[in-house]
Amino acid sequence: AQSVTQLGSHVSVSEGALVLLRCNYSSSVPPYLFWYVQYPNQGLQLLLKYTTGATLVKGINGFEAEFKKSETSFHLTKPSAHMSDAAEYFCAVSGVGEYGNKLVFGAGTILRVKS
Amino acid sequence: NAGVTQTPKFQVLKTGQSMTLQCAQDMNHEYMSWYRQDPGMGLRLIHYSVGAGITDQGEVPNGYNVSRSTTEDFPLRLLSAAPSQTSVYFCASSYSGQALEKLFFGSGTQLSVL
Repeated sequence: AQSVTQLGSHVSVSEGALVLLRCNYSSSVPPYLFWYVQYPNQGLQLLLKYTTGATLVKGINGFEAEFKKSETSFHLTKPSAHMSDAAEYFCAVSGVGEYGNKLVFGAGTILRVKS
Repeated sequence: NAGVTQTPKFQVLKTGQSMTLQCAQDMNHEYMSWYRQDPGMGLRLIHYSVGAGITDQGEVPNGYNVSRSTTEDFPLRLLSAAPSQTSVYFCASSYSGQALEKLFFGSGTQLSVL
């Protein structure tokens, strides 16, 4: 079985400050890990993904995430927040084989950026 | 490129009514899925399909039916709507393979059941 826990349903940062959104996962197989972003009244868009290889992955809009197997974590970071980053962010996990057809999402973290 | 198109965008139903949420994609994706989004619960998988004629249940399938007669379309049917089905519904598609690489989402259908 696979599951995702996102720590903090709401995160507030000042413009220009570091963004850190936390994600821990549980998976019985090597995981594929994703971060999606949802802007108001829109569907989700893929920010970045980890499948295999390099554990530090870079995504769109200056975001990056690091896969840490020992900590079962996949935290999302951005060095300097911009007002346009305000949105809801979802961490998700899938796998291969029988786990490859189901993407399991976390509960989401709403990011607020203060001017 | 239209991507994933969902209709309608908004719908209000009375308890016991039936309706179909439509989803179409023009990217020739083999994989299609339906999620519901509820506050504080993220997105939960209802049903998915890995190709025409093949469907399977997700995490919360009760009260919903699906079929996949063509690669392009994946409608979601509510046979007898209940207030617990009030939610935002998203259709998503992807290339199929050993694992999901990226989901393309529609813009959602907001459903209220009174």
